[in-house]
Amino acid sequence: AQSVTQPDIHITVSEGASLELRCNYSYGATPYLFWYVQSPGQGLQLLLKYFSGDTLVQGIKGFEAEFKRSQSSFNLRKPSVHWSDAAEYFCAVGPNYGGSQGNLIFGKGTKLSVKP
Amino acid sequence: GAGVSQSPRYKVAKRGQDVALRCDPISGHVSLFWYQQALGQGPEFLTYFQNEAQLDKSGLPSDRFFAERPEGSVSTLKIQRTQQEDSAVYLCASSLDRNQPQHFGDGTRLSIL
Repeated sequence: AQSVTQPDIHITVSEGASLELRCNYSYGATPYLFWYVQSPGQGLQLLLKYFSGDTLVQGIKGFEAEFKRSQSSFNLRKPSVHWSDAAEYFCAVGPNYGGSQGNLIFGKGTKLSVKP
Repeated sequence: GAGVSQSPRYKVAKRGQDVALRCDPISGHVSLFWYQQALGQGPEFLTYFQNEAQLDKSGLPSDRFFAERPEGSVSTLKIQRTQQEDSAVYLCASSLDRNQPQHFGDGTRLSIL
């Protein structure tokens, strides 16, 4: 069955430190991959996506992610975290039906806290 | 508006009551999705529309849940005879078509007493 695993429930980093959030997926075909961010009481905002091509993708707010097929991973990174990055981060996969996207399967999320 | 709009933002209902949640997608977006997000969990897929056609309702947890999009724009998720386990945030998302990323609304937080 398709699934997404985010092994870290809660991560705390100091402001200015680097960040890596882990995401592993189980999927029968080549998936579309996404990272979303959710602030309290808000909906989900798309940070970045991978559909095909270059396995290192750049997103908004200085985030990037690398698709590693051999490890079934799509980890999110940021070189220097800002206090405003504190939020919950969700990794998601979508089915790739001949290039079409369907519903998303989400991980349980990683809550990021930032220390001043 | 510029984004996906959901109303109400908060809904409190007594167990057994019926509720209706509304989603206004981004203008021109063909695809519309509903997700349920329980506390501390990631969103889980409920149902998908392409224009007015409901193409996938495999995620609806019971026959108490019903969704419609009669004119291919606004969608309503209805829950009949609500139960306590229905308490969650209900998220709506729309996309230009199935090949484009989904844009989410801020959700409706439903609390069943």
